Amino acid sequence: GQNIDQPTEMTATEGAIVQINCTYQTSGFNGLFWYQQHAGEAPTFLSYNVLDGLEEKGRFSSFLSRSKGYSYLLLKELQMKDSASYLCAAMDSNYQLIWGAGTKLIIKP
Amino acid sequence: GAVVSQHPSRVICKSGTSVKIECRSLDFQATTMFWYRQFPKQSLMLMATSNEGSKATYEQGVEKDKFLINHASLTLSTLTVTSAHPEDSSFYICSAGRGDTSSGQYFGPGTRLTVT
Repeated sequence: GQNIDQPTEMTATEGAIVQINCTYQTSGFNGLFWYQQHAGEAPTFLSYNVLDGLEEKGRFSSFLSRSKGYSYLLLKELQMKDSASYLCAAMDSNYQLIWGAGTKLIIKP
Repeated sequence: GAVVSQHPSRVICKSGTSVKIECRSLDFQATTMFWYRQFPKQSLMLMATSNEGSKATYEQGVEKDKFLINHASLTLSTLTVTSAHPEDSSFYICSAGRGDTSSGQYFGPGTRLTVT
């Protein structure tokens, strides 16, 4: 079956760095997405990886290893506004997104 | 670019009534639109995928006669919750794809449905 695993909750300190891991198993693979979702709001797109390696975008970076079925989202210089849920989603061979349950990130001062 | 709107943002209705939710892609043509439901502290659950001019494809366990989806144009899809019950209370979110894989899906702001 198809499955996405990511931690349920993580806590980090303002100004620090946090890495949110995601492992996936899908029927075929057309890329890995990370979305940010604040409470009561819809998800917003953060990143897309389809090739192995690290994609850096400002304070956020995303890494993919296709052979390991593994990705992580790295957030640097954490700010209080980064408190949100981070959703990992893999696109399968039918171009359908398979969603993880999300990781709730709590930032403490 | 790539803005998706959703209306209404909040709706409260009585049990047994029907509610229609609209999803519009404002600045692009959406080849495919998706409808999700999200319960508190849970992830997104895909309900159905709709392509313009064709019948929606429903996920297993989603009643197509209860959740009517119409994708009348490349910029508009509607979800009608018929004969709503309190257990249908949820956060309904639509998203649209532009057809290019790397951009993923663009999400509307969501509709909070409360059935009393």
